[in-house]
Amino acid sequence: AQSVTQPDIHITVSEGASLELRCNYSYGATPYLFWYVQSPGQGLQLLLKYFSGDTLVQGIKGFEAEFKRSQSSFNLRKPSVHWSDAAEYFCAVGATAAGNKLTFGGGTRVLVKP
Amino acid sequence: SAVISQKPSRDICQRGTSLTIQCQVDSQVTMMFWYRQQPGQSLTLIATANQGSEATYESGFVIDKFPISRPNLTFSTLTVSNMSPEDSSIYLCSVWGGNTEAFFGQGTRLTVV
Repeated sequence: AQSVTQPDIHITVSEGASLELRCNYSYGATPYLFWYVQSPGQGLQLLLKYFSGDTLVQGIKGFEAEFKRSQSSFNLRKPSVHWSDAAEYFCAVGATAAGNKLTFGGGTRVLVKP
Repeated sequence: SAVISQKPSRDICQRGTSLTIQCQVDSQVTMMFWYRQQPGQSLTLIATANQGSEATYESGFVIDKFPISRPNLTFSTLTVSNMSPEDSSIYLCSVWGGNTEAFFGQGTRLTVV
């Protein structure tokens, strides 16, 4: 069975500082990996995804993530955070063999200090 | 892409009653997914709904509690039956667009009192 772990429940970062959110997955084959953001009272928005190819993927809002098969990781990064990046971030894994259902990590809540 | 409309967006219900949540998609899709997000928690898949067949439920979720209908390729409903305060959650409908991205509705925020 597939699973996702986000080790950090909360992260506080100063505005303008860099951000890295960790994600580790467990899946028997090459996974489909996603990062979603959920702002307070908002729905889920896709930041980026990895299916195959280049292991460094670029997303919206200046985010990027790197797939590392050897570490079963898909960490999300942003070089300089903005106050509007304060939100809950979810890593998810999916597989076509599982009928496209997604398994989500527990989420990381990001707080941005002025 | 896919645009998903969920109704209602929020509701406050009495324990012991049932609520039916509607999910309408702007394109035809084979599978629709229902997730639950309990307060402060992540998303958990409740069931997968295929048109013309019984929904497939994940471990811990049963049809008697969460009956699902899928009458056509653009619509589905999830009913939360015999509600208790523990059912207070956000319920989200999801579909895949172009087999490359999962889209989510805005969710239904349910409070059971």
